[in-house]
Amino acid sequence: SAVISQKPSRDICQRGTSLTIQCQVDSQVTMMFWYRQQPGQSLTLIATANQGSEATYESGFVIDKFPISRPNLTFSTLTVSNMSPEDSSIYLCSVDLRVAEAFFGQGTRLTVV
Amino acid sequence: GQQLNQSPQSMFIQEGEDVSMNCTSSSIFNTWLWYKQDPGEGPVLLIALYKAGELTSNGRLTAQFGITRKDSFLNISASIPSDVGIYFCAGRGEYGNKLVFGAGTILRVKS
Repeated sequence: SAVISQKPSRDICQRGTSLTIQCQVDSQVTMMFWYRQQPGQSLTLIATANQGSEATYESGFVIDKFPISRPNLTFSTLTVSNMSPEDSSIYLCSVDLRVAEAFFGQGTRLTVV
Repeated sequence: GQQLNQSPQSMFIQEGEDVSMNCTSSSIFNTWLWYKQDPGEGPVLLIALYKAGELTSNGRLTAQFGITRKDSFLNISASIPSDVGIYFCAGRGEYGNKLVFGAGTILRVKS
């Protein structure tokens, strides 16, 4: 498995502000994935981040709201922009290792007030 | 899009009992993954399945990849209090790298 570190682990933010979440992996990976887990719900893929190209967003998620950076093969950031209380969720980054096994960071618990 | 139906939604069992949960879909999957999520943590991979009919164990956990490639189950034998958590199935379809997740099964254990 990989060591996947996310920062911050939790935050409470004011509506209208933005938060950038960092994800660091201890090995080089081609793709990194960002998920959202709303309270009491399952995981929903936000976007796939490839190094050197723009992220690919899933239906219902747009770059203006969730800009992603992928400056190298071990690091990515997800920004939640212009936050509202509906953005209160756990945000998780993930990488694929060993053929098709997905591993997750510990998550960032975001509360928007 | 692809969807996974996971059941049961929740279980409240006695310590020592066996547990069974499953996921079904109308779509074919090439990979099935089972995860456990504890409060405040990210999902942790328990078992990965790659071939139809494959039966894989990890300690007290056993999972199977259905023959039709449209379902999978996870069994936990002789449950203990630390088995408490949310269990998710996830499948990877024939095309692309995306994982689709089930809604989760909340497991509670009475000691």
